[in-house]
Order: sequence, then C-alpha cells, then structure tokens
Amino acid sequence: EVQLVESGGGLVKPGGSLRLSCAASGFTFSSYSMNWVRQAPGKGLEWVSSISSTSSYIYYADSVKGRFTISRDNAKNSLYLQMNSLRAEDTAVYYCASLVGATLDYWGQGTLVTVSS
Amino acid sequence: QSALTQPASVSGSPGQSITISCTGTSSDVGSYDLVSWYQQHPGKAPTVLIYEGSKRPSGVSNRFSGSKSGNTASLTISGLQAEDEADYYCCSYAGSTTFDVVFGGGTKLTVL
Repeated sequence: EVQLVESGGGLVKPGGSLRLSCAASGFTFSSYSMNWVRQAPGKGLEWVSSISSTSSYIYYADSVKGRFTISRDNAKNSLYLQMNSLRAEDTAVYYCASLVGATLDYWGQGTLVTVSS
Repeated sequence: QSALTQPASVSGSPGQSITISCTGTSSDVGSYDLVSWYQQHPGKAPTVLIYEGSKRPSGVSNRFSGSKSGNTASLTISGLQAEDEADYYCCSYAGSTTFDVVFGGGTKLTVL
C-alpha cells in the first residue's frame, strides 16, 4: 500500500523558517518525481514545487521561488521542503504527492503550517 | 499561470448526471491532453479521479468520465450518489519552457 506521511508543520512567526518532511513507503520512491501542493484554509489547491526522481530537475511556483527549497533523499525514501522567510499567505495545509506524467497520483494526509505572530 | 476557471458550485439529485467545466487557455488545457481531476472530501486529501483527460485509475467508478473540447475540460458524474458530495478540482499541465501545473479554483458538488 502506498503511503505518504507528512510532518514538520506547526506555528511559526512571519519571517521564520520551517522544514517539512514526507516519508514514503509502498512504492519505489526513487523512480518517481515528487511534488508539494498546498491548500490555504477554505481555499483551493496550489502547486508549490516539483523535484525529479534524481533531483536533476527542480521547479517552483513563482509565489515561493527564492524562499522555499525542495529536496529528497532516495536512500531514506523521504521528501523535504525547507521554507524560509515565511509569510502569512503561506499558511496552508501542505501535501506531498507523487507525480506520474502530469498526474498527482498519490497524496499524503497533509501537514498544517500556520504563519502568525 | 492563472488558475483554471471552474463553477463555484453545482448540485444534483441522486441518480442524475452533472457536468463540471474547467476552462483554461491555449497555453494549458488547450495545448495538452494532461488534464486531471481530483475529488476532495472535507478534511481529507485529494484523490485522483481522471488523468490525461479521460483515463480512470483502477478502482475509480466508471460513473466518472472526463472529456475536453478546445480550452475547456469537463468532468461528468453520472448516477449521482450521496457520497459524491465533495469538492472537485481540475488540474492541467501548463509548462512550455519549464514545468508548471495549474489548478482550477474548485467546485463544490451538493447532492440534494
């Protein structure tokens, strides 16, 4: 069974930093591109970042470029999102999701990030 | 990239069929057969219903179908059931020179 389990969310002050993790199991993690997608409270989905299977290709949404860094450790079956210079508008549930083609086929349950003073 | 346009809400009675539209541009929906649709129940993660425009993952009911015409993709749900009440999101690949994915704003389906 495919499982993606996010962790690392919490309350952080504006300008602060947080590192999210996503532990994968039940599939060959090292063969898949992985993504972060977020959802602000009561709002829709927003793609945040994507990383290819070997970390050769990395992409970011304009809204987080220069502040967020995606990475992965295939030996640990883990995906990460380092979030710096956090803003109130970054408050959201952050999901990790595997990517096949352009389809986000498996999603984790999400971790809530709240940016507030 | 701007978000794809979906109706905020649709409704239908059990047994009926409904269609949710998803309008993009020639840079996303119109350029690629890479539209996917996701269902999200309250407090849960999204799950994929349709990928590459009209394909269904194994385990997804054949009551769900996808199509596209020009810059508009559509999700049709036939034989509405109470458990179909959820939010639905379309998503399209939008990258030309770089990877980009754009979502619709979401549609709340109410089963009357």
